[in-house]
Amino acid sequence: NAGVTQTPKFRVLKTGQSMTLLCAQDMNHEYMYWYRQDPGMGLRLIHYSVGEGTTAKGEVPDGYNVSRLKKQNFLLGLESAAPSQTSVYFCASSLRQGGSRTGELFFGEGSRLTVL
Amino acid sequence: EDQVTQSPEALRLQEGESSSLNCSYTVSGLRGLFWYRQDPGKGPEFLFTLYSAGEEKEKERLKATLTKKESFLHITAPKPEDSATYLCAVQASGSQGNLIFGKGTKLSVKP
Repeated sequence: NAGVTQTPKFRVLKTGQSMTLLCAQDMNHEYMYWYRQDPGMGLRLIHYSVGEGTTAKGEVPDGYNVSRLKKQNFLLGLESAAPSQTSVYFCASSLRQGGSRTGELFFGEGSRLTVL
Repeated sequence: EDQVTQSPEALRLQEGESSSLNCSYTVSGLRGLFWYRQDPGKGPEFLFTLYSAGEEKEKERLKATLTKKESFLHITAPKPEDSATYLCAVQASGSQGNLIFGKGTKLSVKP
């Protein structure tokens, strides 16, 4: 039972570099999310997807792009990393909206990104 | 603006010392309120969903309750393994399933 898998788990970037975080889920969930977690700020939604081929902006989308080409994968990209993007990034998935369990998110273990 | 406030920020208990964590919320139509547990270096883990005022859910030493303005997570006779950060989140009616999280309460239970 893999659940939600994030890669890489740790990464150090220099300002201006680009990178992609990969999230994979094996639960056939429709909804997928990318959050960032910073000390004293709580979890904040970056982007989300309500199904294959769809994406939408969350609370803090600037500086990030996402793609959902396959139902099981959700990619988060940083085109030009900035020190303000130093954070722990969590991917999550949930069942299709309309059911009673869309708020029951399954989270990955996180990807710790440092931008120097 | 939809908002979730958790208190206290941190709570230190002795093993067996019962207490409660608070989650106050303002939301334009509540679809659901959720409690999660997060261990250091891990992702949050779902605990409970509450949908309407008066509802209660229990799991081992944890009991979650809901009113129209707030939710409580009661911890009865806690053990050291209950030490974690507890997160509260709300889902508003009309949202696309998105949750608004509080900043969490860090619970430490000493033996």
